[in-house]
Amino acid sequence: GIQVEQSPPDLILQEGANSTLRCNFSDSVNNLQWFHQNPWGQLINLFYIPSGTKQNGRLSATTVATERYSLLYISSSQTTDSGVYFCAVISDTGGFKTIFGAGTRLFVKA
Amino acid sequence: ETGVTQSPTHLIKTRGQQVTLRCSSQSGHNTVSWYQQALGQGPQFIFQYYREEENGRGNFPPRFSGLQFPNYSSELNVNALELDDSALYLCASSLFGRKETQYFGPGTRLLVL
Repeated sequence: GIQVEQSPPDLILQEGANSTLRCNFSDSVNNLQWFHQNPWGQLINLFYIPSGTKQNGRLSATTVATERYSLLYISSSQTTDSGVYFCAVISDTGGFKTIFGAGTRLFVKA
Repeated sequence: ETGVTQSPTHLIKTRGQQVTLRCSSQSGHNTVSWYQQALGQGPQFIFQYYREEENGRGNFPPRFSGLQFPNYSSELNVNALELDDSALYLCASSLFGRKETQYFGPGTRLLVL
């Protein structure tokens, strides 16, 4: 099955710093999503980005499907950015299912 | 807020008991998926329901079962609870075939003692 790997596993930033999170996937996919899980467990959709680049405020994401990776950029980080960032791909093989990576745990210090 | 609701928010059970978790879909969504998230890990897909039938299943034993109702809400049932079933259980609703429309509820935290 499809494997999804994220790096780094943990990240500590000073408020205002920029960061790049990476997601590698093992097979060709035509979809990829980035989520943020807040400290209370709520998963929030950040981007649906099967390919190309999207931006939303201080966040942007790029997926290069042919090279099987996606990047999430966080600029001018804020303490509210803390939490866990997951990338996930959706497989249609054997029924629809979403496969998550293990996540990057981000802590932004004030 | 995503419009997906789950109940209860927290639950404590003992080993061997049975539990039922509930999920209400976002308005207009016809598909529900369930996930188990153990502490410190990413969510693991349990199964998906569409048109009141199971449409896909992850690597979970048959004691994990589900239902979807005509109003698209859903239940997750777990029989013969084990200690390792302690986790955050997330449901997500979506429009069938529209991958980008998947939105998650706040989850139910289950502790098995």
